[in-house]
Amino acid sequence: SQKIEQNSEALNIQEGKTATLTCNYTNYSPAYLQWYRQDPGRGPVFLLLIRENEKEKRKERLKVTFDTTLKQSLFHITASQPADSATYLCALPDASGGSYIPTFGRGTSLIVHP
Amino acid sequence: EAQVTQNPRYLITVTGKKLTVTCSQNMNHEYMSWYRQDPGLGLRQIYYSMNVEVTDKGDVPEGYKVSRKEKRNFPLILESPSPNQTSLYFCASRGQGNQPQHFGDGTRLSIL
Repeated sequence: SQKIEQNSEALNIQEGKTATLTCNYTNYSPAYLQWYRQDPGRGPVFLLLIRENEKEKRKERLKVTFDTTLKQSLFHITASQPADSATYLCALPDASGGSYIPTFGRGTSLIVHP
Repeated sequence: EAQVTQNPRYLITVTGKKLTVTCSQNMNHEYMSWYRQDPGLGLRQIYYSMNVEVTDKGDVPEGYKVSRKEKRNFPLILESPSPNQTSLYFCASRGQGNQPQHFGDGTRLSIL
């Protein structure tokens, strides 16, 4: 199955700066990759999907890149705000058994300081 | 409103006492799955279902059962709970293709 690596250390940044989070995977390149946000004690909420033939995807202050050569996705939040503080998870479809149920990384905690 | 509903939200119980966590979705999704989330381990998939009467094991199925008799419901059953099943559990559903997962609000289980 897919192995997904996200930085386990929390990312601390100042309000207004750009946050960049990394998701690396080790096995086959997936057809797409998703990013979710999770607040403490709540279920993850879907943010963005990027397909393997897309280099970049944007949604408001969010930007995701997908490099299938490096087996890496970067997730950027520009002009970050304290309300952006949360854990961000990347997810890749696991094709084993044909289910394509996503496998999640462990997530990276983002803390935006006012 | 599109949602995934889990019950109960919190449960404290004792070892060996059978329990069921219910999950219901109102989006007519084919796929449903259960995850557990533990500190430092992230979300791990327990069981998933691709449609009615079709279920399969995820990464950590031991000690759990599921059923999918109706499209909207996917209960998680712990026949004989043990303390190592103390965790935060999430049910999720999604439609076909690359549709995103919709998660419930979670069930925090404590097995004493």
